[in-house]
Amino acid sequence: DAGVIQSPRHEVTEMGQEVTLRCKPISGHNSLFWYRQTMMRGLELLIYFNNNVPIDDSGMPEDRFSAKMPNASFSTLKIQPSEPRDSAVYFCASSTTGGDTEAFFGQGTRLTVV
Amino acid sequence: AQSVAQPEDQVNVAEGNPLTVKCTYSVSGNPYLFWYVQYPNRGLQFLLKYITGDNLVKGSYGFEAEFNKSQTSFHLKKPSALVSDSALYFCAVRENAGGTSYGKLTFGQGTILTVHP
Repeated sequence: DAGVIQSPRHEVTEMGQEVTLRCKPISGHNSLFWYRQTMMRGLELLIYFNNNVPIDDSGMPEDRFSAKMPNASFSTLKIQPSEPRDSAVYFCASSTTGGDTEAFFGQGTRLTVV
Repeated sequence: AQSVAQPEDQVNVAEGNPLTVKCTYSVSGNPYLFWYVQYPNRGLQFLLKYITGDNLVKGSYGFEAEFNKSQTSFHLKKPSALVSDSALYFCAVRENAGGTSYGKLTFGQGTILTVHP
């Protein structure tokens, strides 16, 4: 298996623009997590899905952020409009539903909003 | 709500010496506990986990961790540190079945481990 695949690896955009981050989880995994990593706030859970259904989105910073999982093999995290404070590394991770299994992380998307 | 605390932002040890990276957790039920490592410009890599059974669990690269229920701790250890162990280490907790937070994987703030030659 190729692991969790995220795209793009790097994104530079201007303030106010829409940004879409993409994630392909490991086949057979039915839990998917989106995290944001910054120096100041560490690793924050934004949202997670079980069986394509959002279970907990309490970490989504504000209405500018939205996430979807239209099927078991694809998820998106969208920021509209983007702001400089959204600059961070965004990670996607997947696992099986059982809480006793580890999550596997993608390589991350480094987002810079100028 | 579940939470994880890593009280040390940085740990410095000399190569060959034992290392410990501390972690404490808070959950309402029984915890599933994990350690991950992150190298620069990389994603997080799984090291080891505690689910049930023996309190001492062994993982990748010679690392081990000890689960202590009374102290709600899950410290990461290695008997002899290597320079190549230098990285950012994260402790994480996933609450056992039951409640709305089932499956949520919560991470600590991370600890930078530096092993000096």
